[in-house]
Amino acid sequence: AQKITQTQPGMFVQEKEAVTLDCTYDTSDQSYGLFWYKQPSSGEMIFLIYQGSYDEQNATEGRYSLNFQKARKSANLVISASQLGDSAMYFCAMREGLLTGNQFYFGTGTSLTVIP
Amino acid sequence: NAGVTQTPKFQVLKTGQSMTLQCAQDMNHEYMSWYRQDPGMGLRLIHYSVGAGITDQGEVPNGYNVSRSTTEDFPLRLLSAAPSQTSVYFCASSDRGSGANVLTFGAGSRLTVL
Repeated sequence: AQKITQTQPGMFVQEKEAVTLDCTYDTSDQSYGLFWYKQPSSGEMIFLIYQGSYDEQNATEGRYSLNFQKARKSANLVISASQLGDSAMYFCAMREGLLTGNQFYFGTGTSLTVIP
Repeated sequence: NAGVTQTPKFQVLKTGQSMTLQCAQDMNHEYMSWYRQDPGMGLRLIHYSVGAGITDQGEVPNGYNVSRSTTEDFPLRLLSAAPSQTSVYFCASSDRGSGANVLTFGAGSRLTVL
């Protein structure tokens, strides 16, 4: 079974609008972390936001927020007030706990295009 | 502070040739890993290490070898390159344990096998 599922291969959003990128995960661990990374066309991987499995509040970092629904095992990324520079690939990732190897697993990514 | 340094950035090989992708980090991270990125496949884990002298296989280890003789270095060896190994390779490192131990990536190495 896939550890991380991103079901939206491509998304379009109007500049200044908000957009939600979906991510679901699969783990039996109680302790895990969820991450979002951005990969612009230049190719580097840029960390955006982190959510711990025990964090009760949704994580926020500037215009990025993570909508964490533990019971549904979802960790959607919300980008508010989209900018042209947000056009990129976005990857959801999960780090499982120490007892299960502490590895990172990545989804297949969502390509976001911001339309002027 | 250089972070994670990968070399080379680009490489073209012929089928059957061997080569080593170098990865070095200066953050004293215990965890190091190699991923390959292919279109539509996301990032797939090749090998990883949780400390010097300790390595383990990831999702797609066949055709690759690794070693971890120091905390800083984690080279990836292609023993006999095949066209299926044409990909972009990323080295990444982090602290271990729970918490927001962010995976820090190198700039990537684009490998083409003819």
